[in-house]
Amino acid sequence: KAGVTQTPRYLIKTRGQQVTLSCSPISGHRSVSWYQQTPGQGLQFLFEYFSETQRNKGNFPGRFSGRQFSNSRSEMNVSTLELGDSALYLCASREGDRGVDTQYFGPGTRLTVL
Amino acid sequence: AQTVTQSQPEMSVQEAETVTLSCTYDTSESDYYLFWYKQPPSRQMILVIRQEAYKQQNATENRFSVNFQKAAKSFSLKISDSQLGDAAMYFCAYRRGETSGSRLTFGEGTQLTVNP
Repeated sequence: KAGVTQTPRYLIKTRGQQVTLSCSPISGHRSVSWYQQTPGQGLQFLFEYFSETQRNKGNFPGRFSGRQFSNSRSEMNVSTLELGDSALYLCASREGDRGVDTQYFGPGTRLTVL
Repeated sequence: AQTVTQSQPEMSVQEAETVTLSCTYDTSESDYYLFWYKQPPSRQMILVIRQEAYKQQNATENRFSVNFQKAAKSFSLKISDSQLGDAAMYFCAYRRGETSGSRLTFGEGTQLTVNP
Protein backbone atom coordinates (compact mmCIF):
# COMPACT_ATOMS: atom_id res chain seq x y z
CA LYS A 1 0.00 0.00 0.00
CA ALA A 2 1.08 3.53 -0.65
CA GLY A 3 1.98 5.54 2.43
CA VAL A 4 0.47 8.74 3.72
CA THR A 5 0.94 11.56 1.25
CA GLN A 6 0.84 15.27 1.90
CA THR A 7 0.65 18.10 -0.59
CA PRO A 8 2.23 20.45 -1.12
CA ARG A 9 5.55 19.60 0.47
CA TYR A 10 6.68 23.20 0.71
CA LEU A 11 4.69 26.40 0.82
CA ILE A 12 5.56 30.06 1.23
CA LYS A 13 2.85 32.54 2.16
CA THR A 14 2.68 36.07 3.50
CA ARG A 15 1.00 37.29 6.65
CA GLY A 16 -2.74 37.63 6.37
CA GLN A 17 -3.13 35.06 3.62
CA GLN A 18 -4.84 31.73 4.06
CA VAL A 19 -3.54 28.28 3.19
CA THR A 20 -4.96 24.80 2.64
CA LEU A 21 -2.91 21.68 3.20
CA SER A 22 -3.95 18.24 2.01
CA CYS A 23 -3.41 14.78 3.42
CA SER A 24 -4.23 11.47 1.74
CA PRO A 25 -4.23 8.58 4.22
CA ILE A 26 -3.22 5.01 3.60
CA SER A 27 -5.96 3.19 1.72
CA GLY A 28 -8.53 1.84 4.16
CA HIS A 29 -7.57 4.17 7.00
CA ARG A 30 -10.47 6.12 8.45
CA SER A 31 -8.66 8.34 10.95
CA VAL A 32 -6.52 11.34 10.09
CA SER A 33 -4.75 13.48 12.67
CA TRP A 34 -2.83 16.70 12.19
CA TYR A 35 0.18 17.98 14.14
CA GLN A 36 2.18 21.17 14.10
CA GLN A 37 5.93 20.92 14.71
CA THR A 38 7.99 23.98 15.61
CA PRO A 39 11.41 24.33 17.26
CA GLY A 40 9.91 26.23 20.17
CA GLN A 41 6.71 24.30 20.89
CA GLY A 42 7.65 20.86 19.62
CA LEU A 43 4.95 18.57 18.30
CA GLN A 44 1.44 19.72 19.08
CA PHE A 45 -1.83 18.05 18.23
CA LEU A 46 -4.18 20.09 16.07
CA PHE A 47 -7.19 17.86 15.46
CA GLU A 48 -8.38 14.43 14.46
CA TYR A 49 -11.01 13.33 11.99
CA PHE A 50 -12.62 9.93 11.96
CA SER A 51 -15.13 8.95 9.29
CA GLU A 52 -15.67 12.62 8.36
CA THR A 53 -16.29 13.74 11.95
CA GLN A 54 -13.95 15.80 14.07
CA ARG A 55 -13.27 13.75 17.18
CA ASN A 56 -10.63 15.70 19.05
CA LYS A 57 -9.27 19.20 18.84
CA GLY A 58 -6.08 20.63 20.29
CA ASN A 59 -5.56 24.02 21.83
CA PHE A 60 -5.29 26.11 18.70
CA PRO A 61 -7.21 29.24 17.69
CA GLY A 62 -10.22 29.08 15.42
CA ARG A 63 -8.06 30.16 12.48
CA PHE A 64 -7.07 26.52 12.25
CA SER A 65 -9.76 24.30 10.81
CA GLY A 66 -10.04 21.05 8.98
CA ARG A 67 -12.33 18.63 7.31
CA GLN A 68 -12.39 15.08 6.06
CA PHE A 69 -14.00 13.83 2.91
CA SER A 70 -15.87 10.59 2.27
CA ASN A 71 -12.72 9.02 0.79
CA SER A 72 -10.91 9.83 4.09
CA ARG A 73 -8.69 12.48 2.53
CA SER A 74 -8.34 15.43 4.83
CA GLU A 75 -7.57 19.10 4.47
CA MET A 76 -6.55 21.63 7.04
CA ASN A 77 -6.96 25.34 6.55
CA VAL A 78 -5.24 28.21 8.28
CA SER A 79 -6.75 31.64 7.77
CA THR A 80 -5.16 35.02 8.41
CA LEU A 81 -1.67 33.59 8.61
CA GLU A 82 0.73 34.84 11.26
CA LEU A 83 4.52 34.58 11.36
CA GLY A 84 4.19 32.09 14.20
CA ASP A 85 2.31 29.68 11.95
CA SER A 86 5.56 28.84 10.20
CA ALA A 87 6.03 25.17 10.95
CA LEU A 88 6.15 21.64 9.68
CA TYR A 89 2.61 20.28 9.51
CA LEU A 90 2.38 16.53 9.81
CA CYS A 91 -0.59 14.32 9.26
CA ALA A 92 -0.97 10.75 10.42
CA SER A 93 -3.47 8.12 9.44
CA ARG A 94 -4.79 5.16 11.33
CA GLU A 95 -6.96 2.29 10.18
CA GLY A 96 -9.47 2.39 12.99
CA ASP A 97 -9.85 3.14 16.67
CA ARG A 98 -8.60 -0.04 18.21
CA GLY A 99 -5.66 0.22 20.52
CA VAL A 100 -3.54 -1.89 18.20
CA ASP A 101 -4.15 0.42 15.25
CA THR A 102 -0.90 2.23 14.66
CA GLN A 103 -0.51 5.76 13.33
CA TYR A 104 1.57 6.26 10.21
CA PHE A 105 2.88 9.70 9.39
CA GLY A 106 3.22 11.53 6.12
CA PRO A 107 6.36 13.44 5.08
CA GLY A 108 4.91 16.77 6.18
CA THR A 109 4.27 20.15 4.62
CA ARG A 110 6.78 22.87 5.43
CA LEU A 111 4.92 26.18 5.68
CA THR A 112 6.87 29.42 5.77
CA VAL A 113 5.01 32.65 6.53
CA LEU A 114 6.80 35.85 5.53
CA ALA B 1 -3.78 16.17 31.18
CA GLN B 2 -1.09 13.79 30.14
CA THR B 3 2.50 14.95 29.88
CA VAL B 4 5.59 13.32 28.43
CA THR B 5 9.11 14.38 29.40
CA GLN B 6 12.41 13.56 27.74
CA SER B 7 15.19 14.94 29.90
CA GLN B 8 18.04 14.33 27.45
CA PRO B 9 18.00 16.88 24.62
CA GLU B 10 21.06 15.27 23.05
CA MET B 11 22.81 11.93 23.26
CA SER B 12 25.72 10.42 21.39
CA VAL B 13 26.92 6.85 20.94
CA GLN B 14 29.74 5.09 19.16
CA GLU B 15 28.81 2.85 16.28
CA ALA B 16 28.13 -0.73 17.46
CA GLU B 17 27.65 0.41 21.06
CA THR B 18 24.45 0.54 23.11
CA VAL B 19 22.58 3.67 24.11
CA THR B 20 19.50 4.25 26.27
CA LEU B 21 17.11 7.16 25.82
CA SER B 22 14.93 8.16 28.75
CA CYS B 23 11.27 9.11 28.91
CA THR B 24 8.87 9.71 31.77
CA TYR B 25 5.18 10.40 31.55
CA ASP B 26 2.33 11.40 33.75
CA THR B 27 -1.21 10.10 33.46
CA SER B 28 -4.12 9.08 35.61
CA GLU B 29 -5.33 6.63 32.99
CA SER B 30 -4.84 2.90 33.36
CA ASP B 31 -5.29 2.04 29.69
CA TYR B 32 -2.79 3.65 27.37
CA TYR B 33 -0.07 3.07 24.81
CA LEU B 34 3.47 4.35 24.64
CA PHE B 35 5.55 4.80 21.53
CA TRP B 36 8.99 5.73 20.35
CA TYR B 37 9.12 7.51 17.03
CA LYS B 38 12.22 8.35 15.05
CA GLN B 39 12.52 11.47 12.90
CA PRO B 40 15.59 11.49 10.64
CA PRO B 41 16.69 14.61 8.74
CA SER B 42 14.07 13.84 6.09
CA ARG B 43 11.50 14.75 8.81
CA GLN B 44 9.48 11.59 8.16
CA MET B 45 8.21 10.25 11.48
CA ILE B 46 8.83 6.52 11.73
CA LEU B 47 7.43 4.24 14.41
CA VAL B 48 10.23 2.43 16.20
CA ILE B 49 8.41 0.49 18.89
CA ARG B 50 5.11 0.34 20.78
CA GLN B 51 4.22 -0.75 24.30
CA GLU B 52 0.74 -1.50 25.60
CA ALA B 53 0.34 -0.46 29.24
CA TYR B 54 -1.54 -3.65 30.13
CA LYS B 55 1.39 -5.81 29.01
CA GLN B 56 4.06 -6.44 31.61
CA GLN B 57 6.51 -7.80 29.07
CA ASN B 58 8.81 -5.21 27.55
CA ALA B 59 8.45 -4.74 23.79
CA THR B 60 11.34 -5.65 21.49
CA GLU B 61 11.89 -4.95 17.82
CA ASN B 62 15.19 -6.28 16.54
CA ARG B 63 17.91 -4.00 17.99
CA PHE B 64 15.36 -1.81 19.77
CA SER B 65 13.88 -2.65 23.15
CA VAL B 66 12.14 -0.77 25.92
CA ASN B 67 12.25 -0.81 29.68
CA PHE B 68 8.68 -0.10 30.75
CA GLN B 69 8.28 0.67 34.44
CA LYS B 70 4.57 1.34 34.89
CA ALA B 71 4.65 2.23 38.56
CA ALA B 72 7.49 4.67 38.01
CA LYS B 73 5.87 5.92 34.78
CA SER B 74 9.12 5.43 32.95
CA PHE B 75 9.59 4.24 29.37
CA SER B 76 13.18 4.11 28.13
CA LEU B 77 14.43 2.99 24.73
CA LYS B 78 17.55 0.88 24.35
CA ILE B 79 19.29 0.75 21.00
CA SER B 80 21.81 -2.06 20.71
CA ASP B 81 24.58 -2.33 18.13
CA SER B 82 24.00 1.28 17.08
CA GLN B 83 24.28 2.01 13.38
CA LEU B 84 24.93 5.25 11.53
CA GLY B 85 21.37 5.10 10.22
CA ASP B 86 20.05 5.33 13.77
CA ALA B 87 21.10 8.97 13.94
CA ALA B 88 17.87 10.97 14.27
CA MET B 89 15.59 12.80 16.65
CA TYR B 90 13.72 10.36 18.84
CA PHE B 91 10.34 11.18 20.31
CA CYS B 92 8.54 9.41 23.10
CA ALA B 93 4.76 9.58 22.76
CA TYR B 94 1.65 8.69 24.75
CA ARG B 95 -1.81 7.78 23.54
CA ARG B 96 -4.88 6.97 25.56
CA GLY B 97 -6.37 3.51 25.29
CA GLU B 98 -9.04 1.78 23.27
CA THR B 99 -11.52 3.92 21.34
CA SER B 100 -10.15 7.08 22.90
CA GLY B 101 -8.99 8.64 19.69
CA SER B 102 -5.67 9.04 17.97
CA ARG B 103 -4.24 12.00 19.83
CA LEU B 104 -0.55 11.55 20.56
CA THR B 105 1.20 13.56 23.26
CA PHE B 106 4.88 13.89 22.46
CA GLY B 107 7.95 14.58 24.53
CA GLU B 108 10.47 17.24 23.58
CA GLY B 109 12.68 14.81 21.71
CA THR B 110 16.25 13.52 22.04
CA GLN B 111 18.74 14.17 19.24
CA LEU B 112 20.86 11.04 18.84
CA THR B 113 24.26 11.25 17.16
CA VAL B 114 26.06 8.07 16.12
CA ASN B 115 29.82 8.43 15.82
CA PRO B 116 31.75 6.16 13.44
